[in-house]
Amino acid sequence: LAKTTQPISMDSYEGQEVNITCSHNNIATNDYITWYQQFPSQGPRFIIQGYKTKVTNEVASLFIPADRKSSTLSLPRVSLSDTAVYYCLVGAAGFDSNDYKLSFGAGTTVTVRA
Amino acid sequence: DTAVSQTPKYLVTQMGNDKSIKCEQNLGHDTMYWYKQDSKKFLKIMFSYNNKELIINETVPNRFSPKSPDKAHLNLHINSLELGDSAVYFCASSQDIGAAGELFFGEGSRLTVL
Repeated sequence: LAKTTQPISMDSYEGQEVNITCSHNNIATNDYITWYQQFPSQGPRFIIQGYKTKVTNEVASLFIPADRKSSTLSLPRVSLSDTAVYYCLVGAAGFDSNDYKLSFGAGTTVTVRA
Repeated sequence: DTAVSQTPKYLVTQMGNDKSIKCEQNLGHDTMYWYKQDSKKFLKIMFSYNNKELIINETVPNRFSPKSPDKAHLNLHINSLELGDSAVYFCASSQDIGAAGELFFGEGSRLTVL
């Protein structure tokens, strides 16, 4: 059962805004949406988390529509160092027997070019 | 100080051998995880421990056996290694159980089975 769906890859240029959309049609009421970033040869690291509407931090913004069936990670003015794989993870607090809630998909490989 | 550390970072071994990967976290978290990342970047949960108790044990062969001597350590032992076990294994920790909490990942241990 596929929990989330993201584009496999996206290309961009320095200074542009990158928007990555994640589909999660089966999101549950208690689920949060969390995005992670992974550089080559490193573990994923937390970027941003939201439940509904919009969340912004110093790194990114997260837009979540009212039905919560998708979410969009927005990276403003990307640089070469933003080249990475971006994962969205949907799940709730607490133990859940559905393992996919703790498994990530293949993520979106974002390549930023000069 | 590295929050989540894994050793070894690289491991090359022959089929049929037994190997272990160690993980330690100094964040004071109650929950630790093992993930497997394949060549297509899928990051799949294998095990989760909360306060030294196994709470998630996904469809992983019995050759994989986790051990948590205390809350700060979660080791992974693999018996009779097979070619398909080649992957990057990530240890992670979080304060609370579940996907809503921020996961802190180690740098990964790249296992190559020849």
